[in-house]
Amino acid sequence: ETGVTQSPTHLIKTRGQQVTLRCSSQSGHNTVSWYQQALGQGPQFIFQYYREEENGRGNFPPRFSGLQFPNYSSELNVNALELDDSALYLCASSWPTDREAFFGQGTRLTVV
Amino acid sequence: DQQVKQNSPSLSVQEGRISILNCDYTNSMFDYFLWYKKYPAEGPTFLISISSIKDKNEDGRFTVFLNKSAKHLSLHIVPSQPGDSAVYFCAVGNTGKLIFGQGTTLQVKP
Repeated sequence: ETGVTQSPTHLIKTRGQQVTLRCSSQSGHNTVSWYQQALGQGPQFIFQYYREEENGRGNFPPRFSGLQFPNYSSELNVNALELDDSALYLCASSWPTDREAFFGQGTRLTVV
Repeated sequence: DQQVKQNSPSLSVQEGRISILNCDYTNSMFDYFLWYKKYPAEGPTFLISISSIKDKNEDGRFTVFLNKSAKHLSLHIVPSQPGDSAVYFCAVGNTGKLIFGQGTTLQVKP
């Protein structure tokens, strides 16, 4: 069984640029959630995708957007990057009826 | 306002002793609680969970206790091992949409 994988592992971007982060869900899982973890904080829920549709969103502005593909992999896009977007971005996959979510290793984004 | 709080940023215990990590929540409607463990450069790993219909759930060295009237849960690790040194997050949630606390860094000294 393949776990959740994310790419890239590290990324440096300039303020104002756009970034795309990628996630492959654990085999068989059709639900993907994205989280932002700032330094010293717990992960914060950004949004969830189920069957290619957004299925819930946290308190993040519209410049955070996502996609889910037919193979259940997912992308997180962030436009107009700000310095405060520097964080660890985590992807988690699950079945829609699961209470637990299984996380990838994360992408460390640094905005300079 | 934080809905899930871990008020102790860090905890240090001796190998073999008990580690107790605490978590408070604000919303009495929460009905499922989870603990995750996170090592540096890795994603959080699911550890143990408890439903609000129970007050205790045990899995090997790990036990989670839930006190609904106090809106408090705790994770007990007995005996603690050096490999347990990590950041521990409590979370509440439903079907993958989780609300996390800030985390407690546990250090287990040999």
